[in-house]
Amino acid sequence: AQKITQTQPGMFVQEKEAVTLDCTYDTSDQSYGLFWYKQPSSGEMIFLIYQGSYDEQNATEGRYSLNFQKARKSANLVISASQLGDSAMYFCSMRERGNAGNMLTFGGGTRLMVKP
Amino acid sequence: EPEVTQTPSHQVTQMGQEVILRCVPISNHLYFYWYRQILGQKVEFLVSFYNNEISEKSEIFDDQFSVERPDGSNFTLKIRSTKLEDSAMYFCASSDGGSRTDTQYFGPGTRLTVL
Repeated sequence: AQKITQTQPGMFVQEKEAVTLDCTYDTSDQSYGLFWYKQPSSGEMIFLIYQGSYDEQNATEGRYSLNFQKARKSANLVISASQLGDSAMYFCSMRERGNAGNMLTFGGGTRLMVKP
Repeated sequence: EPEVTQTPSHQVTQMGQEVILRCVPISNHLYFYWYRQILGQKVEFLVSFYNNEISEKSEIFDDQFSVERPDGSNFTLKIRSTKLEDSAMYFCASSDGGSRTDTQYFGPGTRLTVL
């Protein structure tokens, strides 16, 4: 079974609008962390936002926020006020077991295209 | 802001040759990782390294692969005898191991092309 599922292979959004990128995960661990990364066409992986399984508040980092629904095992990324520079691949990932140094498992990614 | 660096940015090699990919993790980080991404596919974990030894490895990380921290700053991935299917982007990452998030910061990647 897939541990991280991103069901939207590609999405379009109009510049200045908000967009939600979906991510569901599967784990039996109680302690885990969820991470979103952005991969522009240049190829690097840029960390965006983190949500811990015990965090009671949804994470926010500037224009990025995470809609964390633990019971549904979903961790959707919300980008507000989209900019042309947001066009990229977005990967959801999970670190299980809650321990430092554990591997990340990635989803298949969503390609976001921002229209002017 | 400190960052992970990787060299070379692109390596082309012949099948059967050995390649060494180099990484300089963020200086105060304790955990180091290698991931790979075959073109158009998801990012896959290869190996993690802590305290001068492998702490975890995936099924991909077979006897053809090895990692080393030869000095206080470099972290290398060696592929002993490259295959066509080793063509991919290889990412090095590091994390501090002590913060609440233990976020893994990635380098810019080395694109390996095996001919």
